[in-house]
Amino acid sequence: QQQVKQSPQSLIVQKGGISIINCAYENTAFDYFPWYQQFPGKGPALLIAIRPDVSEKKEGRFTISFNKSAKQFSLHIMDSQPGDSATYFCAASKPPDKLIFGTGTRLQVFP
Amino acid sequence: DVKVTQSSRYLVKRTGEKVFLECVQDMDHENMFWYRQDPGLGLRLIYFSYDVKMKEKGDIPEGYSVSREKKERFSLILESASTNQTSMYLCASSSVRGRYFGPGTRLTVT
Repeated sequence: QQQVKQSPQSLIVQKGGISIINCAYENTAFDYFPWYQQFPGKGPALLIAIRPDVSEKKEGRFTISFNKSAKQFSLHIMDSQPGDSATYFCAASKPPDKLIFGTGTRLQVFP
Repeated sequence: DVKVTQSSRYLVKRTGEKVFLECVQDMDHENMFWYRQDPGLGLRLIYFSYDVKMKEKGDIPEGYSVSREKKERFSLILESASTNQTSMYLCASSSVRGRYFGPGTRLTVT
């Protein structure tokens, strides 16, 4: 049973554009929502994370928007660069250490 | 920096072979995990361990077993490899809620 739904499966954006990836969850017990970035040939690496007591978190060009009532959260990449081309996974976590991943979004940023 | 290493980047095995995938972490983390990654399916948890000699089944444990004899080392075992176990295998460790992943082992079973 897929508890975290991620869309789109793939995304093509021009350099300088905004990339938006969406995720939705079902279980209200989730209390930590990280995003992972994976480059080809590498394991996923934590990019940014949010807890449900805030609606937005920004780190550089990366922003998480969180809508608790809709049980949705999204990653926005501003001024997208070719170096951002990677696969992005959203995830949702509940205690003690259960982490459920979305199915991933392959982002390609063209110059 | 946390470092998680996996014994092989690429592995080709024949159907029916016993396969060992090794993972070592250097940050004294209690928790270690094995995932498999397949296109369109994301990362799926096979097994995890919260302590030495302790193991718990994840979402897709069938056909796999694990061993954790030392805190820093977590091994995934395919008792009799099958073609549907061709996949990318990722090991991870964590301290609190996050995951630190290794580079992965791409296993092909022919």
